[in-house]
Amino acid sequence: GQQVMQIPQYQHVQEGEDFTTYCNSSTTLSNIQWYKQRPGGHPVFLIQLVKSGEVKKQKRLTFQFGEAKKNSSLHITATQTTDVGTYFCAGFLIQAGTALIFGKGTTLSVSS
Amino acid sequence: DGGITQSPKYLFRKEGQNVTLSCEQNLNHDAMYWYRQDPGQGLRLIYYSQIVNDFQKGDIAEGYSVSREKKESFPLTVTSAQKNPTAFYLCASSPKGTVSGPNQPQHFGDGTRLSIL
Repeated sequence: GQQVMQIPQYQHVQEGEDFTTYCNSSTTLSNIQWYKQRPGGHPVFLIQLVKSGEVKKQKRLTFQFGEAKKNSSLHITATQTTDVGTYFCAGFLIQAGTALIFGKGTTLSVSS
Repeated sequence: DGGITQSPKYLFRKEGQNVTLSCEQNLNHDAMYWYRQDPGQGLRLIYYSQIVNDFQKGDIAEGYSVSREKKESFPLTVTSAQKNPTAFYLCASSPKGTVSGPNQPQHFGDGTRLSIL
């Protein structure tokens, strides 16, 4: 079936370092969403990207959607311990009856 | 306070037993979803429903069943045919998107952890 690949699976950084997670699809996506799941919690919606080449920022987080709408990235500048968790991308395919397809997530740990 | 309520938080299943996980939302959302989360596997879609009395299989529907008799409720039954049911189950809902337009954000419940006795 359709897949959304996400790398890396795990990333450990020192507080203050930057962090990036990448999401790739073999199929053109209608839009892509990003979620964050804190340890022991449930996924929480962060943002949605719709347009080709779109870039959105939320404070230290920068989200990009590729020109071909097949890849996306999330970049965190100067990580903090509050950034700890698993970040998921989820893509939507333009097909009737198709729901979001989640990547396997990138788990970020931050040491102070 | 609007949201999604999943119950119970923890559930134990005996061999050969069917168990039902509850999911209720008061967000007036049309679409509801069930996901299974295993370590390192991300979220895998079990079933989803975009309207009352209709639902579709996701990627891993075998051994599970659902119903959607009311807009607010989307219970999931883990049947005895599901041989490896131990996992974290998440229910989500969203306003109905359009086929050709952007999907709407999904709101998740706190989840149910199911284990085998």
